[in-house]
Amino acid sequence: DAGITQSPRHKVTETGTPVTLRCHQTENHRYMYWYRQDPGHGLRLIHYSYGVKDTDKGEVSDGYSVSRSKTEDFLLTLESATSSQTSVYFCATQGRETQYFGPGTRLLVL
Amino acid sequence: SQQGEEDPQALSIQEGENATMNCSYKTSINNLQWYRQNSGRGLVHLILIRSNEREKHSGRLRVTLDTSKKSSSLLITASRAADTASYFCATDASPWGSQGNLIFGKGTKLSVKP
Repeated sequence: DAGITQSPRHKVTETGTPVTLRCHQTENHRYMYWYRQDPGHGLRLIHYSYGVKDTDKGEVSDGYSVSRSKTEDFLLTLESATSSQTSVYFCATQGRETQYFGPGTRLLVL
Repeated sequence: SQQGEEDPQALSIQEGENATMNCSYKTSINNLQWYRQNSGRGLVHLILIRSNEREKHSGRLRVTLDTSKKSSSLLITASRAADTASYFCATDASPWGSQGNLIFGKGTKLSVKP
């Protein structure tokens, strides 16, 4: 494993509240990714980063923002959580050719 | 939009049998990768095949790629109960100069019964 941790691992929140998920890596990988995984949809890319302060949108970026102030940390923020954002969120980093995934954060928005 | 589509969606076999999963995709790719996900865990990379390769082996895994048909297959030989997991194909069609924007399929759920 590429030393990727995610926090929190589980979170329950209420509609309308802000939520921040953290991804931390120890491999000094330049590229980092946030995905969400939902039944019937597989993994879908939310945002990715190609360096400190360099980010771009993925396929399902609406309602999400990201920040990367240090190489090792990539934050995903739900500005105002909605029930449709209930999902499992995975962070990943890009190695030489393949991606390494964190253990996931299970988010429930009530 | 989904690039890769796995088939079948679910597969149940006995230990010792072979398991074959297929993946179809839509656009030209640089490479195609297969990942495995155990229940409740993150994805783990299994094998990568480049667009100029036709077949690749890794232990009990065999991957084929047919770029003319835009399809790939993953064969797991002599399956074990521990192979029970979901398997995803992911295509890398990153433009030159960028890196690793993978598009994942929806996965095949493999169940290997002891």
